[in-house]
Amino acid sequence: QVQLVESGGGVVQPGRSLRLSCAASGFTFSSFGMHWVRQAPGKGLEWVAVISYDGSYRSYADSVKGRFTISRDDSKNTLFLQMNSLGAEDTAVYYCAKDYGAGWRYLDAWGQGTLVTVSS
Amino acid sequence: IQVTQSPSSLSASVGDRVTITCQASQDITNYLNWYQQKHGTAPRLLIYDASNLETGVPSRFSGSGTGTYFTFTISSLQPEDVATYYCQHYDNVPLTFGGGTKVDLK
Repeated sequence: QVQLVESGGGVVQPGRSLRLSCAASGFTFSSFGMHWVRQAPGKGLEWVAVISYDGSYRSYADSVKGRFTISRDDSKNTLFLQMNSLGAEDTAVYYCAKDYGAGWRYLDAWGQGTLVTVSS
Repeated sequence: IQVTQSPSSLSASVGDRVTITCQASQDITNYLNWYQQKHGTAPRLLIYDASNLETGVPSRFSGSGTGTYFTFTISSLQPEDVATYYCQHYDNVPLTFGGGTKVDLK
């Protein structure tokens, strides 16, 4: 069955960087778009970024544009999120999610999430 | 595109019919999905393309609507349905989620 396992979260100081990973299994990773979605403590879901099945298209929420970069390594079935210039507003659980299709449509599988805390 | 969900919370009894609405800021045809998130867990897809039930989801859940106005219904609320529900559009990027509706038992 589809499995997504995020890693790389932790406590980081403001202004520093962090890279999240999402290991995928149980499906043909290279055929599907992939997303990052985050949830600040006690808040709702916020879509962060999407990458198309072949990596040719990427899009970001305005709140992270220019600071975060989504990428994928199909040889390792792994999705990444490089986060730079982190601020307190980036504190959240970060979920990776698989799209139904090659780009964006609906998110039909989710990981368990990894917590990022930005604090001095 | 913004999606506005209401109400933000509701309390209902077991067996009650529960309805949540989601209004888009512009026409998104049927590009609207619904998710369930139980406390401390990842979201789960329930309804895609406004009215299609995801595989394995109980038939008491349903969705309808087109254009800018959408509804999500639980026909007979069960204790295991206590959760927060979110709508999400995919008409274009950036994708956006509604603010969520917290459903609990009266």
